[in-house]
Amino acid sequence: QKEVEQNSGPLSVPEGAIASLNCTYSDRVSQSFFWYRQYSGKSPELIMSIYSNGDKEDGRFTAQLNKASQYVSLLIRDSQPSDSATYLCAVSLGGGSQGNLIFGKGTKLSVKP
Amino acid sequence: DTAVSQTPKYLVTQMGNDKSIKCEQNLGHDTMYWYKQDSKKFLKIMFSYNNKELIINETVPNRFSPKSPDKAHLNLHINSLELGDSAVYFCASSQALGGQYFGPGTRLTVT
Repeated sequence: QKEVEQNSGPLSVPEGAIASLNCTYSDRVSQSFFWYRQYSGKSPELIMSIYSNGDKEDGRFTAQLNKASQYVSLLIRDSQPSDSATYLCAVSLGGGSQGNLIFGKGTKLSVKP
Repeated sequence: DTAVSQTPKYLVTQMGNDKSIKCEQNLGHDTMYWYKQDSKKFLKIMFSYNNKELIINETVPNRFSPKSPDKAHLNLHINSLELGDSAVYFCASSQALGGQYFGPGTRLTVT
């Protein structure tokens, strides 16, 4: 059973701090990794994608990938109350179903003013 | 200029009925998906479909069937609805192995 694991939280950080969200996955052949943000009652919104080992930065967001450790993380710098949401890690299936994603159960982030 | 749209947004129906949810994307993507998000907020893929291939999650009952009239549309038809089908259903689309873009969701309630 291919799995994506995330701490469910809630993760609470003060405004302006760095929020660190972590994800591990079981399928070694996965090649594509994504972070989604989902506000309550809304649909998942793609915020980051990463395909190779290392760091990828986009504004206040940094995604980090370590395929050897089967680990992907998301850092949010200068956290704002508007960042409060559930963050979903998604990993592509390997083999012939590369486009299909397995989602973690999400980490709920709360940024306190 | 909505990218991925779904109708209806809310759907309330009785057990045993048959219903459909429509999805359209104007992103020019080649693959579309249906997901189910249950009450515990767990998002699980049901189907993926492009012009060549339909991939079905083996856990999806055969009461659920995707129908694609063209590349920009992927509808979800559900027969003989059951209480356990109550959930939010999301349509999504992607280009090749890129990230998927989600529609606003359809909240299905079966009574």
